[in-house]
Amino acid sequence: NAGVMQNPRHLVRRRGQEARLRCSPMKGHSHVYWYRQLPEEGLKFMVYLQKENIIDESGMPKERFSAEFPKEGPSILRIQQVVRGDSAAYFCASSPEAGGTDTQYFGPGTRLTVL
Amino acid sequence: LAKTTQPISMDSYEGQEVNITCSHNNIATNDYITWYQQFPSQGPRFIIQGYKTKVTNEVASLFIPADRKSSTLSLPRVSLSDTAVYYCLVGASGGGADGLTFGKGTHLIIQP
Repeated sequence: NAGVMQNPRHLVRRRGQEARLRCSPMKGHSHVYWYRQLPEEGLKFMVYLQKENIIDESGMPKERFSAEFPKEGPSILRIQQVVRGDSAAYFCASSPEAGGTDTQYFGPGTRLTVL
Repeated sequence: LAKTTQPISMDSYEGQEVNITCSHNNIATNDYITWYQQFPSQGPRFIIQGYKTKVTNEVASLFIPADRKSSTLSLPRVSLSDTAVYYCLVGASGGGADGLTFGKGTHLIIQP
């Protein structure tokens, strides 16, 4: 049973470009969470999605960031017009139901570098 | 979620027992205490969860006093591979829908 998959593992973009990060949840999991981790910091919650629905986006920046989890395919975190401050590790977690503190399984992360 | 406080870093040696304490003075009645481990360039991994008294699994033990305002993660006979960041979280177990709140964690460094 494969774990949570994220790709790419490393992504380099120039300022002003778009970044697309993909997350494939564990088989049978229909809940996806996105987190951002700055260097030497803990993970910060961004958004919680179920299939075709955004449940909680209270941690998402108001501009340039969007997320989706379509009926088919991976969840996508999209960052438009990236800036240097967007450089971070972005982690996705999945859970079989509304995940509490013990049921979220994390992927390996995507490290975004903005030049 | 209740705020947690834990040491920024700790050092120990192979074969020793390591205890990391976390304070959570505002823990709610239905909150559980959960610890995660994160290696460099990897996502966090669940270690252990408890509500009160003591919980033990194949990796660690978790000690929670009666007032539940703190907890201690105990790692027996650590090895170099236990070098990682350890996060203490407080919140709902199972069916809660909140995103998890991670502090800065405790950087544990194990030396030969």
